[in-house]
Amino acid sequence: EDKVVQSPLSLVVHEGDTVTLNCSYEVTNFRSLLWYKQEKKAPTFLFMLTSSGIEKKSGRLSSILDKKELFSILNITATQTGDSAIYLCAVEANSGTYKYIFGTGTRLKVLA
Amino acid sequence: DVKVTQSSRYLVKRTGEKVFLECVQDMDHENMFWYRQDPGLGLRLIYFSYDVKMKEKGDIPEGYSVSREKKERFSLILESASTNQTSMYLCASSSSRGKSQHFGDGTRLSIL
Repeated sequence: EDKVVQSPLSLVVHEGDTVTLNCSYEVTNFRSLLWYKQEKKAPTFLFMLTSSGIEKKSGRLSSILDKKELFSILNITATQTGDSAIYLCAVEANSGTYKYIFGTGTRLKVLA
Repeated sequence: DVKVTQSSRYLVKRTGEKVFLECVQDMDHENMFWYRQDPGLGLRLIYFSYDVKMKEKGDIPEGYSVSREKKERFSLILESASTNQTSMYLCASSSSRGKSQHFGDGTRLSIL
């Protein structure tokens, strides 16, 4: 059975801290791994990763994929209160049909 | 910017009612998806569609059906609502396989 596991489930940090969120997966015919940020409403896209070892970066956020060990990390440096959100990891897989499998998410709270 | 619009942000219905959740996207996307999001369980795929009049079951289709008569519109139907269908429902679309999904703001459905 395809599965995506995120850790930790929740995290509380102070502004300025650096956090690392983890996503491991076991899927049939991996296609890509995606990170989303969900505040009050719709999840918004952060990164798509398809190749091992190539870091994607956007401001204070960065992510990397390890296809051998089947995991990805999302790093946030110099955290701000606006980073408080649920971070979702999804894997696109082809197990007969293409679909996205989501993890349960990591709830991050950044305190001022 | 892609816009995915869900017809209601909040909805309260009674057990046994037939419930329609509507989703419209404005970017001519091929693929559309319905998820439900529950605490501790993440996003779970109910149904998806890769073309007009085409539908495929996701991981938890029981108690639900869908309709895609036009490319831009994907409807989720609860045939006979039950209390265990109380949840946040998220609609998403993507332009093709291998592309990120764009999400609507969600419908928080309560079945009394």
